[in-house]
Amino acid sequence: DAGVIQSPRHEVTEMGQEVTLRCKPISGHDYLFWYRQTMMRGLELLIYFNNNVPIDDSGMPEDRFSAKMPNASFSTLKIQPSEPRDSAVYFCASSLLRPLDEQFFGPGTRLTVL
Amino acid sequence: DQQVKQNSPSLSVQEGRISILNCDYTNSMFDYFLWYKKYPAEGPTFLISISSIKDKNEDGRFTVFLNKSAKHLSLHIVPSQPGDSAVYFCAARVSGTASKLTFGTGTRLQVTL
Repeated sequence: DAGVIQSPRHEVTEMGQEVTLRCKPISGHDYLFWYRQTMMRGLELLIYFNNNVPIDDSGMPEDRFSAKMPNASFSTLKIQPSEPRDSAVYFCASSLLRPLDEQFFGPGTRLTVL
Repeated sequence: DQQVKQNSPSLSVQEGRISILNCDYTNSMFDYFLWYKKYPAEGPTFLISISSIKDKNEDGRFTVFLNKSAKHLSLHIVPSQPGDSAVYFCAARVSGTASKLTFGTGTRLQVTL
């Protein structure tokens, strides 16, 4: 398996623009997670899905952030409008159904908002 | 409110010596703990875990110790190797919350020759 795939790997945009990050989880995994990594807060969970249904979005910082999972093999995280403080590395991860299964992370998308 | 804390942002250890990375948590409901390792430009990868019913788990050069009364866990790497240089994240989970993990801020380990 290719592992979790994220695109783009790098994104540079200007403040106010819409940004869409994409993720393809490992085939057969039931859970999908979106994280944001910053120096100050480490890895923060933004939202996670189980069988394509959002379960907990309490980590989504503002209404500017939204996430969708239209099918088992694709998810998007959208920021509209983007702000400089959104600059971070965004990771997608997936895992199997069993509660103690480890999460497998993608390589991340480095977002820079100018 | 940081429920999982890694108070040392960085650590430098000589090759062959022991590396000890520390992690503290505040939520007494956490009952499963994991360490992830992250190289630059890559996503974190799972390293080792421990359940709250144990106080030690060992996997090769890596050992995790859990002190529930102190709400503290540590990762020991013996002997340290240059390839261990990475950022290490501590994470914790509460039973019944599916796979939701709470991560710390990470500790950057540098193993020098």
